[in-house]
Amino acid sequence: GAVVSQHPSRVICKSGTSVKIECRSLDFQATTMFWYRQFPKKSLMLMATSNEGSKATYEQGVEKDKFLINHASLTLSTLTVTSAHPEDSSFYICSAREGDSYYEQYFGPGTRLTVT
Amino acid sequence: GQNIDQPTEMTATEGAIVQINCTYQTSGFNGLFWYQQHAGEAPTFLSYNVLDGLEEKGRFSSFLSRSKGYSYLLLKELQMKDSASYLCAVSDSNYQLIWGAGTKLIIKP
Repeated sequence: GAVVSQHPSRVICKSGTSVKIECRSLDFQATTMFWYRQFPKKSLMLMATSNEGSKATYEQGVEKDKFLINHASLTLSTLTVTSAHPEDSSFYICSAREGDSYYEQYFGPGTRLTVT
Repeated sequence: GQNIDQPTEMTATEGAIVQINCTYQTSGFNGLFWYQQHAGEAPTFLSYNVLDGLEEKGRFSSFLSRSKGYSYLLLKELQMKDSASYLCAVSDSNYQLIWGAGTKLIIKP
């Protein structure tokens, strides 16, 4: 089946620093990638949708200058949390979709971010 | 607005059967997904329904009624490893997934 990798799996950073999370589709070309955030015992919250070669579409309430998304190729998208603060601590999950229609989203294993 | 409702938590006994319900109101419909998520891990795909009826896949089955905006996930012969959260998600008119809050399933011996 389709595999999506995410790196790093865990990261601890100091307040004020920036953190980059990579999401890669390993055996398919991802026309669309999604970035989610999940708080403990809560469902997935879609942050943004990115299509290769174009600007990401951010959901309402998500600061685009704080959460920088780059979808430079059909197999790689990155999320950079800039000037991180403790409230940014969360589980960040990416997913990738191969086509535009009903195709399921394949999820990466997630990144646990802790900002101290 | 768009809304997905599913119970917050359910408890069942090992070896038994459990049904997790999901009701939805969305702008457009391009299918309904069920995902399983173990604590601290990403969701994994279980099933997809776009037409009315029952889809069976091993111990898991998923049912859809589009006229009622209703789906359920049926788990048979429950095993301890089935303890997880089960997420219902609907693909709307823009093929964007609208997620339910998830149902935490607790399996007791």
